[in-house]
Amino acid sequence: NAGVTQTPKFRVLKTGQSMTLLCAQDMNHEYMYWYRQDPGMGLRLIHYSVGEGTTAKGEVPDGYNVSRLKKQNFLLGLESAAPSQTSVYFCASSPTGDLGYTFGSGTRLTVV
Amino acid sequence: GQNIDQPTEMTATEGAIVQINCTYQTSGFNGLFWYQQHAGEAPTFLSYNVLDGLEEKGRFSSFLSRSKGYSYLLLKELQMKDSASYLCAVPLRSSGGYQKVTFGIGTKLQVIP
Repeated sequence: NAGVTQTPKFRVLKTGQSMTLLCAQDMNHEYMYWYRQDPGMGLRLIHYSVGEGTTAKGEVPDGYNVSRLKKQNFLLGLESAAPSQTSVYFCASSPTGDLGYTFGSGTRLTVV
Repeated sequence: GQNIDQPTEMTATEGAIVQINCTYQTSGFNGLFWYQQHAGEAPTFLSYNVLDGLEEKGRFSSFLSRSKGYSYLLLKELQMKDSASYLCAVPLRSSGGYQKVTFGIGTKLQVIP
């Protein structure tokens, strides 16, 4: 019973490098989300998806791209990493969009 | 738009009772959540209130007043393991319905011996 799995758990990037964070869920949830969490800022929504093949912008989408090619996977990409993107990233999924949020264990990203 | 306010930090003594308040402003209301987040871990669901009143679940209770835009989380018989951040959250309404949830910044609770 894996729930929501995020990979990698930790990563250090140099400014300008690119990377992709993977989120996988095995609960057949329609909705998936990417949040970032910074001290004093709480959880802020980056992008989300309401179903396979769909994506939408959240509160802080700049500098990130996402894709939802398969229902169970939601990828978050950083094309050119910046120190301001140093954060802890959480993926979540939900069956309905307003209930039953399950979070992954997080990815701690440092951009130097 | 949506706005959630909760205290940033609280300290309480082991064995005591603590109340964490949350006020919110939403353009439509579809329930309020409380999540617990231990340091370095993911948030985990604690409670969901959609009707006014108190919902009790073991040592934890959550209260909602929709007319006042107010909720609180009540933790009884505090234990050291209750030291964590407590996040208040509400669903956001958009043209597509309720598709996402916004979170408060969280209240960091420290339980001391």
